[in-house]
Amino acid sequence: DVKVTQSSRYLVKRTGEKVFLECVQDMDHENMFWYRQDPGLGLRLIYFSYDVKMKEKGDIPEGYSVSREKKERFSLILESASTNQTSMYLCASSRSGSTGELFFGEGSRLTVL
Amino acid sequence: GDSVTQMEGPVTLSEEAFLTINCTYTATGYPSLFWYVQYPGEGLQLLLKATKADDKGSNKGFEATYRKETTSFHLEKGSVQVSDSAVYFCALRSGGSNYKLTFGKGTLLTVNP
Repeated sequence: DVKVTQSSRYLVKRTGEKVFLECVQDMDHENMFWYRQDPGLGLRLIYFSYDVKMKEKGDIPEGYSVSREKKERFSLILESASTNQTSMYLCASSRSGSTGELFFGEGSRLTVL
Repeated sequence: GDSVTQMEGPVTLSEEAFLTINCTYTATGYPSLFWYVQYPGEGLQLLLKATKADDKGSNKGFEATYRKETTSFHLEKGSVQVSDSAVYFCALRSGGSNYKLTFGKGTLLTVNP
């Protein structure tokens, strides 16, 4: 069974802390994505990666960075967390050359106090 | 740029009622179209897809037809069940993108017994 695993389902952090969200996929997919999900706003793309060490900004990259050192792992980093980054974060992956179907993890709900 | 507009919820139906969730899009080229579903406490999973005009995607009793002339991809089900209660997202991948999906804001469906 294909799987995208996000390391933490729930996190509570303080303003100014550095936050790491980890995502691992076991499908050998080339593409990986980080979205945030907010009520009334749907899903918004933060960053995506189409290969190891490659990354591109999505629609809302400000305040975030990413790292992809291995094909199966894609990390989202909040250098200095702020309260407006309280959200649900969703990781996804897809195979290049496919119809574009994304496979999602279960999400990480981050609260910044 | 690409965009997806879906009907705002919440939608509340009784069991066995007919469901329609409207979705229209704006995109360059010839997009692929998707419906994703998010059950409570879970990540998104693909419900159905269509990759070219007049294609009909179907799964679990849900259907949607890719209508290029009206730029629409409305989701329908003839008889909903309580277990269909979830958030439904319409999405597209434009012809110019190998990677990125653009999502609508989601529609919350509640089905009462």
